[in-house]
Parts: sequence; C-alpha cells; structure tokens
Amino acid sequence: DAGITQSPRHKVTETGTPVTLRCHQTENHRYMYWYRQDPGHGLRLIHYSYGVKDTDKGEVSDGYSVSRSKTEDFLLTLESATSSQTSVYFCAISPGQRYEQYFGPGTRLTVT
Amino acid sequence: DAKTTQPPSMDCAEGRAANLPCNHSTISGNEYVYWYRQIHSQGPQYIIHGLKNNETNEMASLIITEDRKSSTLILPHATLRDTAVYYCIVREAISNFGNEKLTFGTGTRLTIIP
Repeated sequence: DAGITQSPRHKVTETGTPVTLRCHQTENHRYMYWYRQDPGHGLRLIHYSYGVKDTDKGEVSDGYSVSRSKTEDFLLTLESATSSQTSVYFCAISPGQRYEQYFGPGTRLTVT
Repeated sequence: DAKTTQPPSMDCAEGRAANLPCNHSTISGNEYVYWYRQIHSQGPQYIIHGLKNNETNEMASLIITEDRKSSTLILPHATLRDTAVYYCIVREAISNFGNEKLTFGTGTRLTIIP
C-alpha cells in the first residue's frame, strides 16, 4: 500500500465547531486530494493540491478550506461544521498528471 | 465531461472470470479510462487504466473497443476478496496546470459467489 495515513480515523463533533483532518504521505508525491463519500453520490472531489502552497477547488468545496505547507501534509478544515458535512473523507495522492491516484484509509466524520 | 454508465450490480462465481462492462460513448480522444475498486469501508484501490490499446497487469485486463465508446474490465479468476464496488472513470482536465481529477460515479457492485 502507498504510504498514506489519515488522522483521526473517526471523529464526532458538534455543529458549529471547527474540525481539521490531516492527510500525511511518505511517497513525496506532488499531488494530493480530498474527497468525500456519501451514499448515492459516490466520491466527490473537495479540494486538491498540485504542490506546496498550491491548491484549487473541486466540485464540492463550499464550507471547506485546505492548506499544504509541506509536501507530506495536506490539511482539510471545516471552519464551522454542519450536519451536511457528516461523511467519510478520503485523501489521495498522485505523483503527477496522467498517473493513478492512491487513496488513504478514510476518516469517518459525524457532525451532531 | 465524458460520463460513464455501469450496471449497478453483478454476480460472478468464484474461480470464474468476472467481466465488468462500462459505457463511455462521449469520451474524447485524449481521455483515459481508469478502473478502481472499493472494498467495504476501505479507500478506493487503483486497478488499471488505458487509452485505446488493451492493457493487462497482475490484477486485471482492460479491453477497450476500437471506437473507444465502451470498455470491459476482466478479473480472470475471481476470488471472494474481489467482492467490491468497481468504478469505471474517464479522466478529464480541470485546470491550466494540466492536473486531471477523477470523477467517481456509483459503480458496479460485484459479488463473488462461493
């Protein structure tokens, strides 16, 4: 398996609280992605990064922000969590364009 | 954006070849076909990808029709561990930097029967 870890693996939080999810890689890949997975929607891209401090929005970016200050870490922040952000969040990495993506084990987030 | 159509579910007997179809009739000339799978509660796993030629690796074979409007993923000797949701994805470019995103649909739920 590609060297990708996500933390925490499970989190329960209350509406309105800030939440940060961390993705850490040991592969030195340039590209990193955050997806969310919900029943009936498959996986949807939230944000991605194509290098340190270089990020861009995906298709469901509202309510989320990201940061990448080091090659190995990509953080996803929910500034004020809402119940609609209850989901399973997956991080993925890729060495570059036209390459496959490798996924982490996921973080199950519940917002009550 | 090129979209894909897959059957929602399929069964296959253990030890037999599993053939998973995918329709991508609006695919453009520079778009690749990717296959991923997701075993319950795990992250998606890359299987194989191709442009127009058939491809084979240690996990599977990918057959792409000559007109590129459809493809078939073949698992040659299915085992119980191959039970998963299989996603056929056509990759598209989304920025001037050339990075491509993966658009996951709802996939095919493949069940391997003992």
